[in-house]
Amino acid sequence: GAVVSQHPSRVICKSGTSVKIECRSLDFQATTMFWYRQFPKQSLMLMATSNEGSKATYEQGVEKDKFLINHASLTLSTLTVTSAHPEDSSFYICSARDETGLHNSPLHFGNGTRLTVT
Amino acid sequence: DAKTTQPNSMESNEEEPVHLPCNHSTISGTDYIHWYRQLPSQGPEYVIHGLTSNVNNRMASLAIAEDRKSSTLILHRATLRDAAVYYCILRDYSSNTGKLIFGQGTTLQVKP
Repeated sequence: GAVVSQHPSRVICKSGTSVKIECRSLDFQATTMFWYRQFPKQSLMLMATSNEGSKATYEQGVEKDKFLINHASLTLSTLTVTSAHPEDSSFYICSARDETGLHNSPLHFGNGTRLTVT
Repeated sequence: DAKTTQPNSMESNEEEPVHLPCNHSTISGTDYIHWYRQLPSQGPEYVIHGLTSNVNNRMASLAIAEDRKSSTLILHRATLRDAAVYYCILRDYSSNTGKLIFGQGTTLQVKP
């Protein structure tokens, strides 16, 4: 079945540094990918919609200059957390849909990236 | 996006059926009902989805009320591996964005 791969699965960084997270669709193309963030014991919160070849669409309250999204190809989207601070520590999850399927086909999710900022 | 309401938590015994309810009284005609589940420290996993008719797949069954204002996810024989948070989500295909907005979901505990 369709697989979405996220890398790295865990990352620890120092406050003030930047971290890049990759999301790849392994056996399908995706013009649209979605980035979520999840704090402990909370639900997933949609951060932004990543659009191949154009600017990402950010949800209200998400800082676009802090969470840089690049979707340079049909199989890769990246999320860069810039100038990370401890409050950015969270579980980041990406997802994508195989757009060659039916319009109501499900989203496939990566296994998430656990970011810890010290 | 139309909102869904689910119980915060449910318990089940292993090898017994589990019925997870979801209310979506403001559902529109173009909303599909999707169910995903999330195991600890993993990304969500697709379970099942439907529009009007009941649906079955290898993981579960989805029973949709005739007025579509509620639905029930049915796990026929719960196993310990089914312990997860189950999310009922409405997805509007007329908007063409395809994004999913997650609610709080139901945390299912399965007792041996």
